[in-house]
Amino acid sequence: EAQVTQNPRYLITVTGKKLTVTCSQNMNHEYMSWYRQDPGLGLRQIYYSMNVEVTDKGDVPEGYKVSRKEKRNFPLILESPSPNQTSLYFCASSLRGVGTEAFFGQGTRLTVV
Amino acid sequence: AQTVTQSQPEMSVQEAETVTLSCTYDTSESNYYLFWYKQPPSRQMILVIRQEAYKQQNATENRFSVNFQKAAKSFSLKISDSQLGDTAMYFCAFTQGGSEKLVFGKGTKLTVNP
Repeated sequence: EAQVTQNPRYLITVTGKKLTVTCSQNMNHEYMSWYRQDPGLGLRQIYYSMNVEVTDKGDVPEGYKVSRKEKRNFPLILESPSPNQTSLYFCASSLRGVGTEAFFGQGTRLTVV
Repeated sequence: AQTVTQSQPEMSVQEAETVTLSCTYDTSESNYYLFWYKQPPSRQMILVIRQEAYKQQNATENRFSVNFQKAAKSFSLKISDSQLGDTAMYFCAFTQGGSEKLVFGKGTKLTVNP
């Protein structure tokens, strides 16, 4: 089954404790991205990757890191989480260049206290 | 920069009736794609319908159809014969041709009442 898998689905952590949210897709998509969803703001792009070893900032990259060592995986790293990073996070993947459907993971609800 | 505006934060409709969700966008590009995504309480993002800007014909998917007005930069979603399972957040989204980045509106929360 074609899917994007994120883990964990829920995470509560303390300020400053490094964490990683994993994302994996099995559709051989080149393009992967991370979004955060906040009430009243919709979804905003954090980082994206056009292919292996190619990543770039989206609209709200501060406080986040990503890596793309393999085509299927695109982890989101918060080196020193802060309460303003409490949000719902989505990983998405799609084919490049043809405006096709983006496939989303199940979402990760992160709370930073 | 491209922007997407959904002017209705919340809407409600009676079961079996028709509802229209509004979306406008701003771009100077001619090659782009528009989407409506549904997010039910499960949080999963589900594609409802997709429109290619170069196609004049409005996209339809069963009970879902769009009214795409390119000159007015408007992309409204019509849901016919509303069902309880249509209760969800609906997001309008835009992507420029050659760029996979999705630009989302702030969403419309739709409630279908029995």
